[in-house]
Amino acid sequence: SQQGEEDPQALSIQEGENATMNCSYKTSINNLQWYRQNSGRGLVHLILIRSNEREKHSGRLRVTLDTSKKSSSLLITASRAADTASYFCATDNTDKLIFGTGTRLQVFP
Amino acid sequence: DAGVIQSPRHEVTEMGQEVTLRCKPISGHDYLFWYRQTMMRGLELLIYFNNNVPIDDSGMPEDRFSAKMPNASFSTLKIQPSEPRDSAVYFCASRPPSAAGELFFGEGSRLTVL
Repeated sequence: SQQGEEDPQALSIQEGENATMNCSYKTSINNLQWYRQNSGRGLVHLILIRSNEREKHSGRLRVTLDTSKKSSSLLITASRAADTASYFCATDNTDKLIFGTGTRLQVFP
Repeated sequence: DAGVIQSPRHEVTEMGQEVTLRCKPISGHDYLFWYRQTMMRGLELLIYFNNNVPIDDSGMPEDRFSAKMPNASFSTLKIQPSEPRDSAVYFCASRPPSAAGELFFGEGSRLTVL
């Protein structure tokens, strides 16, 4: 069963704009992770935020976590055409990772 | 390291045939996960292993599906007999020893059952 629901399902923006994706989940977690999937490829890990953290940065990525609302957001700043992909959140509470429904991001040059 | 290696990358078979998907995890990783991805159901966790032992197979859809991990460097997912609704991309992922951490995914095996 899926733990996370992502919003929006699809997002189209111009290069240089920021992209924000949201994830909501249902149960307690140890950590929350974000992954990226290019068309026809496997998933690639982007960033992990632990349940006791509220914000984390990695390059152009910024992730926030609100455990009281059971939600997280991924912000990609200054987007590039190469950022076009599907993005998934995944929650980890008992060793296993359960993935959300994903957001399809299209960045137009 | 070559990463997680899955084979075959593509398989087309007819309903009723046996399908075997293979996975070689990254050396030193002690967790191995099998996921299935479809448009309708997204990414579903089928089963995962720790130190070659199945820990949770609650996601395996039915008895037609079975998974084994005979050693630390090899796992199989078998479907017998296959049905058209099994058509999906099957991913294997591994994780190094730690309480929590990122998964490393293979490129997937795209299965089409006619």
